[in-house]
Amino acid sequence: KAGVTQTPRYLIKTRGQQVTLSCSPISGHRSVSWYQQTPGQGLQFLFEYFSETQRNKGNFPGRFSGRQFSNSRSEMNVSTLELGDSALYLCASSLIAGNTGELFFGEGSRLTVL
Amino acid sequence: GENVEQHPSTLSVQEGDSAVIKCTYSDSASNYFPWYKQELGKRPQLIIDIRSNVGEKKDQRIAVTLNKTAKHFSLHITETQPEDSAVYFCAASKSTGNQFYFGTGTSLTVIP
Repeated sequence: KAGVTQTPRYLIKTRGQQVTLSCSPISGHRSVSWYQQTPGQGLQFLFEYFSETQRNKGNFPGRFSGRQFSNSRSEMNVSTLELGDSALYLCASSLIAGNTGELFFGEGSRLTVL
Repeated sequence: GENVEQHPSTLSVQEGDSAVIKCTYSDSASNYFPWYKQELGKRPQLIIDIRSNVGEKKDQRIAVTLNKTAKHFSLHITETQPEDSAVYFCAASKSTGNQFYFGTGTSLTVIP
């Protein structure tokens, strides 16, 4: 069974631009969540989608948005990029709808904002 | 919202010794506490978890303890090996979907 796939793996953008990251969950997983990982800050929750609906949202500005498609694939978008948005963005999928299931992470998309 | 604090941020131990990482949480409604291991350049992977109705759970050399009253939980690794070297993250979650609050991580180095 294929794992969680994230694209692109690496990207460089300049301030003010926007970026779209993609995540394909493990087949059969309907919950997809996104985390921002930065040195010293750990993993910070961005949002979670289940059956195309955003169920939870973390404390990030409205520049960060996401969506989920009917095949459970998810995208996140960051508009008007700032230097502080440089981070590893991790997507995780889960089989269980609630919080009792394991998160399966992708390898991440490393975003550098210049 | 929930706040998870993790200590220490770095930990070095001799091979064969034990390692202990501690986390505290603030929201008494949190009821699920997983631990993830992230090796350098790789994705985080679940190594053990504990639910609020259990005080301790063990899986070979790894154990987790939970004190709900004090709102803290700990990861214990015994007989450490060089392959245990990684960053370990604790997390807490409530029964409202897959929203996890992670600690800031502990970089464990096992010295051969």
